[in-house]
Amino acid sequence: KAGVTQTPRYLIKTRGQQVTLSCSPISGHRSVSWYQQTPGQGLQFLFEYFSETQRNKGNFPGRFSGRQFSNSRSEMNVSTLELGDSALYLCASSPGTGGAYNEQFFGPGTRLTVL
Amino acid sequence: GQNIDQPTEMTATEGAIVQINCTYQTSGFNGLFWYQQHAGEAPTFLSYNVLDGLEEKGRFSSFLSRSKGYSYLLLKELQMKDSASYLCAVRDRGAGTALIFGKGTTLSVSS
Repeated sequence: KAGVTQTPRYLIKTRGQQVTLSCSPISGHRSVSWYQQTPGQGLQFLFEYFSETQRNKGNFPGRFSGRQFSNSRSEMNVSTLELGDSALYLCASSPGTGGAYNEQFFGPGTRLTVL
Repeated sequence: GQNIDQPTEMTATEGAIVQINCTYQTSGFNGLFWYQQHAGEAPTFLSYNVLDGLEEKGRFSSFLSRSKGYSYLLLKELQMKDSASYLCAVRDRGAGTALIFGKGTTLSVSS
């Protein structure tokens, strides 16, 4: 099976702009979670989508949003970019059902730099 | 709320054994995961504990005590390639598949 893919891998934006990141989960996986990773804060949970619905949300401002399509692919959007949004954005997919054990498989991430 | 603590850095030598501790507080525990992340790469799954006790997987073992809110990852016969960040993460009941991560422990293995 192909792994989780994320596009683009690298992105440079300026303050005030908006950005859209894309994630394609492993075939058959219905849950997609997004995380932000920075050196100071580590991996922080942004949100999780399951069957096109946001199932959980972390403590991030409303500038961070996402959606999931019927084929389970997901996008996240960050509007009005700030310098502090510079980070590695990781997408993780899992089956999403079947009990507590739902290993998350991570994609390679998108490295966002805000200038 | 949730809180996960693990040491920031650890060092060890090849062939040795190292134990990375993780303490957590969560409102509805539903599993603890350990991930390994090499610099510049995505995290990869190492182990999962939901019941008390030890889970062994080759050179890696993970232990959980739910009453103490405590876990450790044990790495035996250390190799240079084990130099990486080790992430402890917990899942809350009712939180879908979302994971709350600690800030990670950077392990440096020297010869």
